[in-house]
Amino acid sequence: DIVMTQSPDSLAVSLGERATINCKSSQNILYSSNNKNYLAWYQQKPGQSPKLLISWASTRESGVPDRFSGSGSRTDFTLTISSLQAEDVAVYYCQEYYSTPYTFGQGTRLEIK
Amino acid sequence: QVHLVQSGAEVKTPGASVKVSCRASGYAFTSYDINWVRQATGQGLEWMGWMNPNTGKTSYAQKFQGGVTMTRDTSTTTAYMELSSLRSDDTAVYYCARRNGGLDFWGQGTLVTVSS
Repeated sequence: DIVMTQSPDSLAVSLGERATINCKSSQNILYSSNNKNYLAWYQQKPGQSPKLLISWASTRESGVPDRFSGSGSRTDFTLTISSLQAEDVAVYYCQEYYSTPYTFGQGTRLEIK
Repeated sequence: QVHLVQSGAEVKTPGASVKVSCRASGYAFTSYDINWVRQATGQGLEWMGWMNPNTGKTSYAQKFQGGVTMTRDTSTTTAYMELSSLRSDDTAVYYCARRNGGLDFWGQGTLVTVSS
């Protein structure tokens, strides 16, 4: 099984500042035949279902603010929030969908400093 | 618009089974895999498995093999997840989600409580 490890476990950032969350996979999740990284990022607010922010490591979902961006390839990935807003307080998860089981990272809790 | 609507909360005793439904609307049900994910209170997301609604093919995480069954009824565009031999540590919110790359649409979650 692929293990997904996020860092840090929690993060406090001032409003308007940049937030960066890392995700490392134990195996390469870049599929060579289509040059796509099988990596997604989700946001989960208290009492809500997770929301997909980014697929294929860097493709933002429709309606997701452009302050959210994803980058990285093969085994190392990053979710960046360029200018933190109050509504971004949440837990963020990465997930690989390269091979089953489609494991999630343990989550990163983002708070306002 | 796409909607996944799950069945209501359940309370079960240890050893019992539970069957959670997930009714899909707003898209071609047979065109996207349905995944099931669970989350214990205060914990992270745990992927359980997926089902292809067109073929009925399934793939389960090893932890759940032998205990989970994912099925569907294409006439009602409903997916089902049945978990048997429930234990107290199966107490969690269970989500269905459509896979389109990542999991792009999620149900509202179904709380399953296992308690004697």
